[in-house]
Amino acid sequence: AQKITQTQPGMFVQEKEAVTLDCTYDTSDPSYGLFWYKQPSSGEMIFLIYQGSYDQQNATEGRYSLNFQKARKSANLVISASQLGDSAMYFCAMRENSGGSNYKLTFGKGTLLTVNP
Amino acid sequence: DAGITQSPRYKITETGRQVTLMCHQTWSHSYMFWYRQDLGHGLRLIYYSAAADITDKGEVPDGYVVSRSKTENFPLTLESATRSQTSVYFCASSVIPGTGNSPLHFGNGTRLTVT
Repeated sequence: AQKITQTQPGMFVQEKEAVTLDCTYDTSDPSYGLFWYKQPSSGEMIFLIYQGSYDQQNATEGRYSLNFQKARKSANLVISASQLGDSAMYFCAMRENSGGSNYKLTFGKGTLLTVNP
Repeated sequence: DAGITQSPRYKITETGRQVTLMCHQTWSHSYMFWYRQDLGHGLRLIYYSAAADITDKGEVPDGYVVSRSKTENFPLTLESATRSQTSVYFCASSVIPGTGNSPLHFGNGTRLTVT
């Protein structure tokens, strides 16, 4: 079974609108972390936001917020006021903190976001 | 400048040749990782290292060898390259992860083509 599922291969959004990128995860580890990365067409991987499994509040970083619903095992990324520069591939990733995983990140297959002017 | 550097950025090699991808980080991070990125698969972990002289297999280790004699370097070697190893390879590092925010910091990647 996949540990990280991103069901949207591609998404389109109009400039200045908000967009939600979906991510569901599967783990039995009570301690884990969820990450979102952005990969623009230039290829580098850029860390965006982090949510710990014990964090009570949803993480926010500027225009990025993480809609963390622990019972549903979802960690959706919300980008507010989309900009043309937000066009990129977005990856959700999970790190399980115990059970011998040695803190590896497992990535989803990504969602390609296109922001239209 | 501090950071994580991969070399070469692009490499074309022939089937059966040995090729080594280099990774160097200046943060003194304990953990280092090698991922490959393929269309439709996202990023998959090849090998990782928790410290110098400590390495372990990831999800797709077959055909690859790593070493870590120094904390800052983590080279990845394809012993006998195959076309299925055509991919973009990313090296990453992180501090000793605890329960807090400890993201991976990625290099810019190496695009490898095996003909």
